[in-house]
Amino acid sequence: KQEVTQIPAALSVPEGENLVLNCSFTDSAIYNLQWFRQDPGKGLTSLLLIQSSQREQTSGRLNASLDKSSGRSTLYIAASQPGDSATYLCAVKDSWGKLQFGAGTQVVVTP
Amino acid sequence: GAVVSQHPSWVICKSGTSVKIECRSLDFQATTMFWYRQFPKQSLMLMATSNEGSKATYEQGVEKDKFLINHASLTLSTLTVTSAHPEDSSFYICSAGNEGLAGEGQYFGPGTRLTVT
Repeated sequence: KQEVTQIPAALSVPEGENLVLNCSFTDSAIYNLQWFRQDPGKGLTSLLLIQSSQREQTSGRLNASLDKSSGRSTLYIAASQPGDSATYLCAVKDSWGKLQFGAGTQVVVTP
Repeated sequence: GAVVSQHPSWVICKSGTSVKIECRSLDFQATTMFWYRQFPKQSLMLMATSNEGSKATYEQGVEKDKFLINHASLTLSTLTVTSAHPEDSSFYICSAGNEGLAGEGQYFGPGTRLTVT
């Protein structure tokens, strides 16, 4: 059974610092991996999607890497801003098309 | 593009009543829709997968007679919580996917907050 773990569970940084969020998964037979953002009481916003054949994806200040063989992905957010405060979830898609989510990392960026 | 809506955004109902939640893909056809529930401070747990025109596939431990899912068209899926009880209070989120969409990601609705009193 696929298990997805996110470390740390919570993170607080001052504005301007870079954020590093980690995601690990136990079964490397994934179809793709997605990073999402969730604001309190809201749905999910997709940030980045990395196909299993890719090593990384970038969008603006966000960069996500994927090392499928070691079961790891890292989301980097450069020059953090208070508006980046949210919970970040990673999810892996299995061959059945189902997403397995991690528990998330709650990020607070202080002004 | 790839917008998914849910209605209602929140609902309060009395114990024993039924509640229907709608999930719509607004600008694409969703061959598959997924329903999740999320408890406070926890991650999303997949409840069921529905394909247009066929019966939903439920995850282990999810009561199919309690959580009725209908996917009658390529743009609409509904989740009905029957005979709701306070323990059914949760945040319900749907997502929609289409094999033809670039990247084959899933697109999530804004969620429905259900409170059963």
